[in-house]
Amino acid sequence: GAGVSQSPSNKVTEKGKDVELRCDPISGHTALYWYRQSLGQGLEFLIYFQGNSAPDKSGLPSDRFSAERTGGSVSTLTIQRTQQEDSAVYLCASSLGLAGVEQYFGPGTRLTVT
Amino acid sequence: AQKITQTQPGMFVQEKEAVTLDCTYDTSDPSYGLFWYKQPSSGEMIFLIYQGSYDQQNATEGRYSLNFQKARKSANLVISASQLGDSAMYFCAMREMYSSASKIIFGSGTRLSIRP
Repeated sequence: GAGVSQSPSNKVTEKGKDVELRCDPISGHTALYWYRQSLGQGLEFLIYFQGNSAPDKSGLPSDRFSAERTGGSVSTLTIQRTQQEDSAVYLCASSLGLAGVEQYFGPGTRLTVT
Repeated sequence: AQKITQTQPGMFVQEKEAVTLDCTYDTSDPSYGLFWYKQPSSGEMIFLIYQGSYDQQNATEGRYSLNFQKARKSANLVISASQLGDSAMYFCAMREMYSSASKIIFGSGTRLSIRP
């Protein structure tokens, strides 16, 4: 079946603009994660959704970052007033809830803030 | 607080040799899970292997095995008979099951290069 998809694959934006990144998880996966990976670095946890529970937002770096998940499926990560330090690859992953050991990752969105 | 440390930023290994990628962790949670992921130059993250803290045996998946030493808080990845296609970044990760069940933290990674 289809894997996790993300769009756009690449996004170049000017400093100060808002951007929206989209993630379509694998059908039936109740858990959805967003991570950020800066060049040559590991993954930084941003936010986690599990079913209808309140999301774990503990990894969001500032109040310019927000995310929502509509209908328990598609998720959108929004970055307001982008800064150059926001430039990174944003990865989305989904799994079968906490019982699902394996996270399936999407291809990522490469964000460049100029 | 949970923490993952990978002390080898880069490694070079001859094809067909075995290689061990180091990972140490820190947690006060009695229940946790340890993961290894591979990230080729294409950027995709590929799940390799998982070890639960209460698992009695070390996890194995084909050529991958996890050398889990709980007392030392280490979870090294062993790749046997390395292949050119194993060249990639490798990330160790951990999830605490009680204190922060949702969050998975990653190490900084090890870049493995296989020489023909």
